[in-house]
Amino acid sequence: GDSVTQMEGPVTLSEEAFLTINCTYTATGYPSLFWYVQYPGEGLQLLLKATKADDKGSNKGFEATYRKETTSFHLEKGSVQVSDSAVYFCALSLTGTASKLTFGTGTRLQVTL
Amino acid sequence: GAVVSQHPSWVICKSGTSVKIECRSLDFQATTMFWYRQFPKQSLMLMATSNEGSKATYEQGVEKDKFLINHASLTLSTLTVTSAHPEDSSFYICSARRTSGYNEQFFGPGTRLTVL
Repeated sequence: GDSVTQMEGPVTLSEEAFLTINCTYTATGYPSLFWYVQYPGEGLQLLLKATKADDKGSNKGFEATYRKETTSFHLEKGSVQVSDSAVYFCALSLTGTASKLTFGTGTRLQVTL
Repeated sequence: GAVVSQHPSWVICKSGTSVKIECRSLDFQATTMFWYRQFPKQSLMLMATSNEGSKATYEQGVEKDKFLINHASLTLSTLTVTSAHPEDSSFYICSARRTSGYNEQFFGPGTRLTVL
């Protein structure tokens, strides 16, 4: 079946450090890939998405590139801020965001001053 | 816009009792709502998909008689955990898909259920 594997956290970084959260997937078809973020006490929010191979999703300084050859969708940010502290979920869907989402386990990011 | 609320945010109940969790789309109409369950350090697992005015579609392995879902209006879906047991303790999260406009799921903040 379809699955998403992402690196375990927590990830602790100093402000302005470079962030990478790894995500790999297994899917029977051609999935769309997503990163969701959950801030404390809030619901999951769509951070970025990519719908086909080589697409790059970007938002709020975060980027992720859909790599079909390595079945990966790693999340990166060049300079993290304390306000980026949250839990990040990688997910896939075979038919767009509004259909069944398969999530990774989530990675907690803690950014310190 | 596109806010989804859940109530309660946390609940503690005794084994054998039933618990109802509400999921509301506050500023949009949602034809479809999804219910997820999350165990500590594990993924969100889709439990069921509910469509307004029709029966919910449950994922394999989810007991429909245990987890009753009602989607009676375009802004409200409820999940009732019947005869709850300690193994039902978990974090329950709903999401709602907008009826019109951009096709995206919007998530509620979740409900922490603890069954004693």
